Amino acid sequence: GAGVSQSPRYKVAKRGQDVALRCDPISGHVSLFWYQQALGQGPEFLTYFQNEAQLDKSGLPSDRFFAERPEGSVSTLKIQRTQQEDSAVYLCASSHRDSNYEQYFGPGTRLTVT
Amino acid sequence: AQSVTQLDSHVSVSEGTPVLLRCNYSSSYSPSLFWYVQHPNKGLQLLLKYTSAATLVKGINGFEAEFKKSETSFHLTKPSAHMSDAAEYFCVVSLLDTGRRALTFGSGTRLQVQP
Repeated sequence: GAGVSQSPRYKVAKRGQDVALRCDPISGHVSLFWYQQALGQGPEFLTYFQNEAQLDKSGLPSDRFFAERPEGSVSTLKIQRTQQEDSAVYLCASSHRDSNYEQYFGPGTRLTVT
Repeated sequence: AQSVTQLDSHVSVSEGTPVLLRCNYSSSYSPSLFWYVQHPNKGLQLLLKYTSAATLVKGINGFEAEFKKSETSFHLTKPSAHMSDAAEYFCVVSLLDTGRRALTFGSGTRLQVQP
């Protein structure tokens, strides 16, 4: 079946612009996660949804970062007033409630802020 | 809090020789441990997972890892490297028993396989 998809795959933004990154999880997966992967580093947790409820947003680096999942399926990560340090790959993952918590990752969106 | 340390940022082996990627973890609770692989321009893929069952865990593509609580280690091994194994490998810890679902990744080990 289809895996986790993310769009766009690449995004270039000028400093100060707002961006929106989309994640389509695997159908039926109730849990959805966002991670940020800086160049040469491992992914770092940003936020977690169970259905439409955002249960953990402890990893969001600033109030410029906002995520939503209004209908419990597609999720959008929004970054306002982008800064150069926001340049990274943003990864989305989803998991099924009964999968022993295995997370399935999308290919990521590479954001470059110039 | 939990963390993982991957002891080598780069490992280079010859095709057909054994692979050892080292990982040590720190956790206040009983951890769940994973190894993920990331090929260029592809998504992260789960290789194997330890969730308090057997301490020797077998994964895909001939990889396995052994959970050693006394050494707080979870090293990844493969008896014979293949060219297609060249990728970035991440050791990951999670505190599933506490209900916290976030994964904590190590900094990664880049595996090179020489012909």
